[in-house]
Amino acid sequence: SYELTQPPSMSVSPGQTARITCSGDALPKQYVYWYQQKPGQAPIVVLIKDTERPSGIPERFSGSTSGTIVTLNIGGVQAEDEADYYCQSTDNSGSFVVFGGGTKLTVL
Amino acid sequence: QVTLKESGPVLVKPTETLTLTCSVSGFSLDTPRKGVSWIRQPPGKALEWLAHIVSNDAKSYSASLKSRLTISKDTSKSQVVLTMTNVGPVDTGTYYCARLVDYVWGAAPYFDSWGQGTLVTVSS
Repeated sequence: SYELTQPPSMSVSPGQTARITCSGDALPKQYVYWYQQKPGQAPIVVLIKDTERPSGIPERFSGSTSGTIVTLNIGGVQAEDEADYYCQSTDNSGSFVVFGGGTKLTVL
Repeated sequence: QVTLKESGPVLVKPTETLTLTCSVSGFSLDTPRKGVSWIRQPPGKALEWLAHIVSNDAKSYSASLKSRLTISKDTSKSQVVLTMTNVGPVDTGTYYCARLVDYVWGAAPYFDSWGQGTLVTVSS
């Protein structure tokens, strides 16, 4: 079955840049979407189509791609950015939706 | 304003069938390129996509759970129903419904609005 791989955890100090990666064989062909989930809350989408920000998402959230790896960048991390982040995409055929295993971002 | 709300049992016994309902407002289940998906999250674990149904009634299921899942919609009631047969303790978790947008066959859609989730516990 198709999988998206994320690092389980990451720590950054306030003001630094957090870079969370998502890797998958189909990513050169399929878009990736990123979700932020805080404890006890439903996820919200923070990036769409690899690099686009939905309305209301701060400019410090951005995306980049390189082959089979897509990266969520959070520049100037703030305490409020501490959350779990999930990437989501589909396999080469577009048959199934898949989520990555999630990355817990800790702001030191 | 788009809203989704999940409803269903809090506690289900092993081997029983779980039925969850997602009631939506602010959009029609007939809207082209949109739909509703069910996604679950075991306690302390990652999100897992289960199934979706889109405006033209096309359905898709998680390969690992396909034999146990059925998704349907009632457009007149603005509801999407998911049934899961033969539940077990591993099915315990929070079940979310979410609006699926940008549906195009062969490409990844995404979820722009989520319900608050409903916690389902499978236990005897």
